[in-house]
Amino acid sequence: DAKTTQPPSMDCAEGRAANLPCNHSTISGNEYVYWYRQIHSQGPQYIIHGLKNNETNEMASLIITEDRKSSTLILPHATLRDTAVYYCIVRVASGTASKLTFGTGTRLQVTL
Amino acid sequence: DSGVTQTPKHLITATGQRVTLRCSPRSGDLSVYWYQQSLDQGLQFLIQYYNGEERAKGNILERFSAQQFPDLHSELNLSSLELGDSALYFCASSPRGDRLTYEQYFGPGTRLTVT
Repeated sequence: DAKTTQPPSMDCAEGRAANLPCNHSTISGNEYVYWYRQIHSQGPQYIIHGLKNNETNEMASLIITEDRKSSTLILPHATLRDTAVYYCIVRVASGTASKLTFGTGTRLQVTL
Repeated sequence: DSGVTQTPKHLITATGQRVTLRCSPRSGDLSVYWYQQSLDQGLQFLIQYYNGEERAKGNILERFSAQQFPDLHSELNLSSLELGDSALYFCASSPRGDRLTYEQYFGPGTRLTVT
């Protein structure tokens, strides 16, 4: 699985968009970008994933650059409950799934 | 609520002892994963089972073992416990289906404290 680089921490004001960057310059053509988050010591929570097209769901949007070497997770209207560690993970998809390799992630602090 | 359940929530035991952590995956999910999260190592993959068979191994110690039963629940057995085994242990499951990409849904974890 390709290695990812994320800033260790970010702050965001409540109600504003949170833009979390991730670099994955060694990504291969068959590797997907996944985002998970972990709130305090809870189990990680799946947010979104994509291959090369931008993706949006009820939680967030994922913007992947054309060369696929970086991506941005966007939380459109951050709330205090979005305070968490966000992990960007790149992995190959397989018919029977595969492990997730977590890095150190970005600690997002949402403030009033 | 992810639909993945883990028991017990907390476990305190002494060095040298053996414990069993239990995980029930989401209904219909065939894959179960175990992860360990310690302060100094972060979240690390231990082992994966798919439909009762071991599918992948990560940084799992020989003192640790796991199995997945016919009803698809899984157990992680930790023996000869050491202080360094104190950690959060998470179980995750992933959906069955024909899609090539699978999200993993994590349980609430078991916090193991070895004294």
